[in-house]
Amino acid sequence: DAKTTQPPSMDCAEGRAANLPCNHSTISGNEYVYWYRQIHSQGPQYIIHGLKNNETNEMASLIITEDRKSSTLILPHATLRDTAVYYCIVRVPPSSNTGKLIFGQGTTLQVKP
Amino acid sequence: GAGVSQSPSNKVTEKGKDVELRCDPISGHTALYWYRQRLGQGLEFLIYFQGNSAPDKSGLPSDRFSAERTGESVSTLTIQRTQQEDSAVYLCASSLRPDRGIFLNTEAFFGQGTRLTVV
Repeated sequence: DAKTTQPPSMDCAEGRAANLPCNHSTISGNEYVYWYRQIHSQGPQYIIHGLKNNETNEMASLIITEDRKSSTLILPHATLRDTAVYYCIVRVPPSSNTGKLIFGQGTTLQVKP
Repeated sequence: GAGVSQSPSNKVTEKGKDVELRCDPISGHTALYWYRQRLGQGLEFLIYFQGNSAPDKSGLPSDRFSAERTGESVSTLTIQRTQQEDSAVYLCASSLRPDRGIFLNTEAFFGQGTRLTVV
């Protein structure tokens, strides 16, 4: 699986958009970009994933650059409950051979009032 | 059940004892994963099951660690002769396998974990 690089920490004001960057310059053609977050003392929670097109769901938007070497997770209106560690992961979907998610150190997002 | 269930939620054991941790995945999820998270650290991959087979055991730290899965459902992670460095939260996750190349709904759903403390 390709490695990812994320800033260790970020702050965001409550109600503003949080933009979390991720570099994955060695991503291969069949690898997807997944985002998870882990709120303190809980298991990781899936947020969104994509291959090459931008994606949006009820939680967030995912913007992937045309060369797929980087992406940005956007939380449009951050709340205090969005304070968590956010993980960017690139992987192939589960198959008969593989499927593990490799978690890096992630970005600790602190949403402030 | 609605989500991934793990038991026990907390386990305190004496050094040298064996422990078994249980994971009940979401019904119908063929993929199952075990991770370990030490205090203040990231998630370490341990093992991946597809059905009852484990094609990837590369993360198991030593031969004291083993896992099995039966009925393409429940999985048990066993740690023999526990050591203090085994203290961590052990997380289980499950997901669907892509159907004929359609990669929707392949996200992993995690349980709340078992907090293991070896004293």
